[in-house]
Amino acid sequence: AQSVTQPDIHITVSEGASLELRCNYSYGATPYLFWYVQSPGQGLQLLLKYFSGDTLVQGIKGFEAEFKRSQSSFNLRKPSVHWSDAAEYFCAVGADSGYSTLTFGKGTMLLVSP
Amino acid sequence: GAGVSQSPSNKVTEKGKDVELRCDPISGHTALYWYRQSLGQGLEFLIYFQGNSAPDKSGLPSDRFSAERTGGSVSTLTIQRTQQEDSAVYLCASSGQGTFGGYTFGSGTRLTVV
Repeated sequence: AQSVTQPDIHITVSEGASLELRCNYSYGATPYLFWYVQSPGQGLQLLLKYFSGDTLVQGIKGFEAEFKRSQSSFNLRKPSVHWSDAAEYFCAVGADSGYSTLTFGKGTMLLVSP
Repeated sequence: GAGVSQSPSNKVTEKGKDVELRCDPISGHTALYWYRQSLGQGLEFLIYFQGNSAPDKSGLPSDRFSAERTGGSVSTLTIQRTQQEDSAVYLCASSGQGTFGGYTFGSGTRLTVV
């Protein structure tokens, strides 16, 4: 069975500083990996996804993530955080078998300080 | 429609009552998913519909929970004899490209059982 671990429940970053959110997954084959963001009272919005090819993927809002198979990781990064990035971030893994379900981590809440 | 629509956005119910939550997916999306989001618990998979196939009900927590999808479009999640532990945000998502495309989420229904 697949699983996702997001080790950090909360992270506080100063506005303008860089950000890295950690995600580790467990899956026996090549995974499909996703990062979603959830603003308060909203559903989840897809930031980026990885399924093959270049291990560094670019997403919306200036985010990127790097897939490292040897570390079973898919960490999310942003060079300079804006106050509007404050939200909860979820990493998810899915199987490359058509319409499989996604397994989500428990999320990391990002707080941005002035 | 343009996005996934869920109704109601908020529901307060008395313990022991039945509730119905509605999800209207993106037109043409063949896959529809229900997840439950409890505080600090991330997203918990409940049930998944794909086309005309039998739904994957493996995530339903008890027989008080059921869901149906009519005409391959609108879905209703029903919780019978609600309990306080059912209080959560219920999220619906749909997908038109399988795991490859990720999910598009609705804004959710916040259920409070008093």
